[in-house]
Amino acid sequence: DTGVSQDPRHKITKRGQNVTFRCDPISEHNRLYWYRQTLGQGPEFLTYFQNEAQLEKSRLLSDRFSAERPKGSFSTLEIQRTEQGDSAMYLCASSPWDPTDTQYFGPGTRLTVL
Amino acid sequence: KQEVTQIPAALSVPEGENLVLNCSFTDSAIYNLQWFRQDPGKGLTSLLLIQSSQREQTSGRLNASLDKSSGRSTLYIAASQPGDSATYLCAVPDGDNAGNMLTFGGGTRLMVKP
Repeated sequence: DTGVSQDPRHKITKRGQNVTFRCDPISEHNRLYWYRQTLGQGPEFLTYFQNEAQLEKSRLLSDRFSAERPKGSFSTLEIQRTEQGDSAMYLCASSPWDPTDTQYFGPGTRLTVL
Repeated sequence: KQEVTQIPAALSVPEGENLVLNCSFTDSAIYNLQWFRQDPGKGLTSLLLIQSSQREQTSGRLNASLDKSSGRSTLYIAASQPGDSATYLCAVPDGDNAGNMLTFGGGTRLMVKP
């Protein structure tokens, strides 16, 4: 495994349903980030973890959103009671401890809420 | 709050042209600046990372410059090819820590015509 992986790649759901996405970072990367990207826009930060600790959350992350990284490895992002406005690409990234290194992005999960 | 702007939003050029993409940021106290490439429906690939102490970075036909005092960066692509067609995003980390969340510009959608 040489990169960040995300599952599923695509998710179509009906409004009001709950969805959960998974992100597996690069091995031994202790930082993990979630971003959201709507069509034609740059990614927007949602939240990030250092090991298992969630250090920062954006105001974009409403109460319907929750993220976990229980053992400091993979992370899940859950959206409850989905709304059409939640339709977006959800991107995960990881980075090592080295502050001069970049964030490495996964392929994303595209969510469509009908 | 850091704001990142990219101009132009879209660009169409014939193959072989040299081109410049622009990125500006409001808070000059950045730790580094990164340029990413995003193909349609895909994740982000890091192209170049410029540390705050550097003025430019080069990788193949790509050259990125950074002028912190004026809050600007440019990405120069030499001898453009159809395979360069993608969205190019610039991003800076929040605050003075490279591990913090990234703030992205809206991107420049580049089309290189054969």
